[in-house]
Amino acid sequence: AQTVTQSQPEMSVQEAETVTLSCTYDTSESDYYLFWYKQPPSRQMILVIRQEAYKQQNATENRFSVNFQKAAKSFSLKISDSQLGDAAMYFCAMWEMRFGAGTRLTVKP
Amino acid sequence: KAGVTQTPRYLIKTRGQQVTLSCSPISGHRSVSWYQQTPGQGLQFLFEYFSETQRNKGNFPGRFSGRQFSNSRSEMNVSTLELGDSALYLCASTQQGLGEAFFGQGTRLTVV
Repeated sequence: AQTVTQSQPEMSVQEAETVTLSCTYDTSESDYYLFWYKQPPSRQMILVIRQEAYKQQNATENRFSVNFQKAAKSFSLKISDSQLGDAAMYFCAMWEMRFGAGTRLTVKP
Repeated sequence: KAGVTQTPRYLIKTRGQQVTLSCSPISGHRSVSWYQQTPGQGLQFLFEYFSETQRNKGNFPGRFSGRQFSNSRSEMNVSTLELGDSALYLCASTQQGLGEAFFGQGTRLTVV
């Protein structure tokens, strides 16, 4: 069975600073996908970034990047130059779309 | 390309009633998954349908059921509603092989 764990229920960051959200997972598969989704107050789930397990290079999308450690089954999200619009719930997920409990990110002006 | 459409957006039902929620996936997507989201519980996986067959099922009682039609549209049914069923129900569709899920805006169900 696949499990996804987010150990930080809440995080806070100052605007323009960097924050890292943690995620660990467990799976017996050797090839899989990992995702970070953002859910703003509108409740619409938005894909932030995706990582394919067979790729050793960490995925990057503008200010968002991941630190993927396959052996440690760790998949953290780094948000650089945080903006007020980044405030949201962030969910770590893996195929077949099992989600962690989420981390609520607050951005302070 | 139209996104994932969930109807209705909001629903109020009485305890003991039943409810049916609908989800139309992105054109070409054959997999539809359903999730229940309650405050503090994250997204709980209900079930996944692929080509009209239930492929995966989460740990929910038999009151929760679903189906998928030949056009990939999916419905979720909850019978004998309980107060604890009040939640946001999210539907997501995926294109097999790519993994990324696209979500609808959800149906907010309130049981009174």
